[in-house]
Amino acid sequence: AQKVTQAQTEISVVEKEDVTLDCVYETRDTTYYLFWYKQPPSGELVFLIRRNSFDEQNEISGRYSWNFQKSTSSFNFTITASQVVDSAVYFCALTQTGANNLFFGTGTRLTVIP
Amino acid sequence: SAVISQKPSRDICQRGTSLTIQCQVDSQVTMMFWYRQQPGQSLTLIATANQGSEATYESGFVIDKFPISRPNLTFSTLTVSNMSPEDSSIYLCSVDRGDSYEQYFGPGTRLTVT
Repeated sequence: AQKVTQAQTEISVVEKEDVTLDCVYETRDTTYYLFWYKQPPSGELVFLIRRNSFDEQNEISGRYSWNFQKSTSSFNFTITASQVVDSAVYFCALTQTGANNLFFGTGTRLTVIP
Repeated sequence: SAVISQKPSRDICQRGTSLTIQCQVDSQVTMMFWYRQQPGQSLTLIATANQGSEATYESGFVIDKFPISRPNLTFSTLTVSNMSPEDSSIYLCSVDRGDSYEQYFGPGTRLTVT
């Protein structure tokens, strides 16, 4: 069975602080994909990153970075020097190879205070 | 990425009525998905819609309540039938780019049932 856990329900940080959003997943599959999506107040889901289970390299994209560790089944997301525009709900999701439906975590609401 | 539009963007409906939500994609896609996001909750897959075949529903969702059409490779509709206040949610369609396992979401339809 697939399961994604985002233990942090809400996080508040002051602008320019760094923040890490945690994601722990469960799957019996050896091949799978992990995702992060951002949902700003407008409601639209914005795709941020996809990582497959064979690629444990960390990735950096501007102020965003992702740390994938299979040993702990975690795929954490760090925002460096947070900005007010980063305020949103962030979802971690999982899918297995050969399937197309995404299993979403419950989301973490990030509030960046100016 | 794909450009996805949904109509209506929001609606307020009376219980017992039905609402049809449209999803239009700017390119041909094989698979389209319909998700529900109840207030303050995560996303749950309702069904997968392939062109030319019946939609595949997830556990807890039935065709009589959520009939889906997929007449071509760029369009799908989801109907929420015989609505009750518990159907108040955001309904999102998404598309899969195929071999990339990247799903892109429409802006969502915010439904309130009174």
